[in-house]
Amino acid sequence: EVQLLESGGGLVQPGGSLRVSCAASGFTFRNYAMSWVRQAPGKGLEWISAISGSGGSTYYADSVKGRFTISRDNSKKTLYLRVNSLRDEDTAVYYCAKDRAVAVAGLSEDWGQGTLVTVSS
Amino acid sequence: SYVLTQPPSVSVAPGQTARITCEGNNIGGKSVHWYQQKPGQAPVLVVYDDSDRPSGIPERLSGSNSGNTATLTINRVEAGDEADYYCQVWDSSSDHVVFGGGTKLTVL
Repeated sequence: EVQLLESGGGLVQPGGSLRVSCAASGFTFRNYAMSWVRQAPGKGLEWISAISGSGGSTYYADSVKGRFTISRDNSKKTLYLRVNSLRDEDTAVYYCAKDRAVAVAGLSEDWGQGTLVTVSS
Repeated sequence: SYVLTQPPSVSVAPGQTARITCEGNNIGGKSVHWYQQKPGQAPVLVVYDDSDRPSGIPERLSGSNSGNTATLTINRVEAGDEADYYCQVWDSSSDHVVFGGGTKLTVL
């Protein structure tokens, strides 16, 4: 059974930084691309980043490019998202999601339960 | 950038058919995926590649895609189908995943 467990969310001041993680189990992690999707309170889903299975290809939404960095450690079966220069509008639940292939295809077959990042002074 | 447009809400009586649309420029040329999200829960994939269903998703849910409109159809709607539904595509011209704004399905 695929399991994705996010962690690392919390309260951060504007301009601050945070690293959220997603621990994966139940599948061969290195064989699948992964994505981060966020959802602001009461709002819809927003894709923010994706990474190929090898980590060699990364993609970012324009709203976070230059501030967020996606990475993965296949030996630890963990996906990361480093978030810098946080703004109020970055407040959201951050979900990690498993793609269907090693290359990013944009299909999120499985999702974690999410971790809440709150940006506030 | 590529834009997907969904109606904010759709209402249907139990036992009837709900149709949720997703409009995008020549969306028929892309693979469309649909997600169901209930309050307080993570999204769940319910239709992928326009019309395929993951295991465990009832046949009452189906998808189609042609021209500028993709549609998620839910037959014999049940109270448990009440949720937000999102369409999604991969835009190869920008290498971005794109979500529609979501549609809240209300079962009357």
